[in-house]
Amino acid sequence: AQSVAQPEDQVNVAEGNPLTVKCTYSVSGNPYLFWYVQYPNRGLQFLLKYITGDNLVKGSYGFEAEFNKSQTSFHLKKPSALVSDSALYFCAVRDKPNGSARQLTFGSGTQLTVLP
Amino acid sequence: DSGVTQTPKHLITATGQRVTLRCSPRSGDLSVYWYQQSLDQGLQFLIQYYNGEERAKGNILERFSAQQFPDLHSELNLSSLELGDSALYFCASSARQGTAEQFFGPGTRLTVL
Repeated sequence: AQSVAQPEDQVNVAEGNPLTVKCTYSVSGNPYLFWYVQYPNRGLQFLLKYITGDNLVKGSYGFEAEFNKSQTSFHLKKPSALVSDSALYFCAVRDKPNGSARQLTFGSGTQLTVLP
Repeated sequence: DSGVTQTPKHLITATGQRVTLRCSPRSGDLSVYWYQQSLDQGLQFLIQYYNGEERAKGNILERFSAQQFPDLHSELNLSSLELGDSALYFCASSARQGTAEQFFGPGTRLTVL
C-alpha cells in the first residue's frame, strides 16, 4: 500500500527567507509524486509533479521539489517566500500504473505561514 | 480556475437524508475522481471513473455511490446521512489514467445537522 507522511503540521518562515515543506513516501515500486496547495475555501491547485528524470522538479509560482530515492523524500522548496504563499500544502503519491489503481494518496497537509 | 465545476457549493441537510453532488470535469478529461476532506480524516480518495466505468474504489461507504454519465459529468450520491458525513467533497479530473495530474474543483461543503 502507498502512503505519504508530512511530518510537520505547521511551518513558519519569514518573508524573503527560503522555505522547505517536508514529505516522505512509501510505495511498492517507483512513485509518481505531486504537490498541491489549498487556499482557504478553495480546491486544491496543482504545483508540480515528479514522474521520472531530473530529480529537481520546477513548478508553479517559483516552487521546486527534490526527489530523493534513497531517502524516499520529495521536499517542496522555494528560495524566497512570499506572504501570499501562506496556505495548506499537500504532498501526494501514486504507484506507477499496475492494474486499475489510479488514485492519489495524500499526506495530512502542512500549514505554511509566511510572516511579513 | 481549474476548469472543473461542482454544484452546489454548499449543502445543509438533516441526518437520514439523501443528497446528490454534481461534478463537470475539464473539457476533454475522461477520468473523474471523488475525494472527501474532513478535519479528522484528512483528504481521502473515494472513487474514480474513467469514461463512464468505475476504475478504482477507496474508502467509500456503502451508503455512498457514484456514476459518470455519457457526457462525462459525474454525480456522487450520499444517502442515510450521518453527522460524521459533514465534510468538503472534491471532484477532480485528469486527461488520462497515466501520469497526468489531477485538477480539482472548488468543492461542495456538506453540513449534516
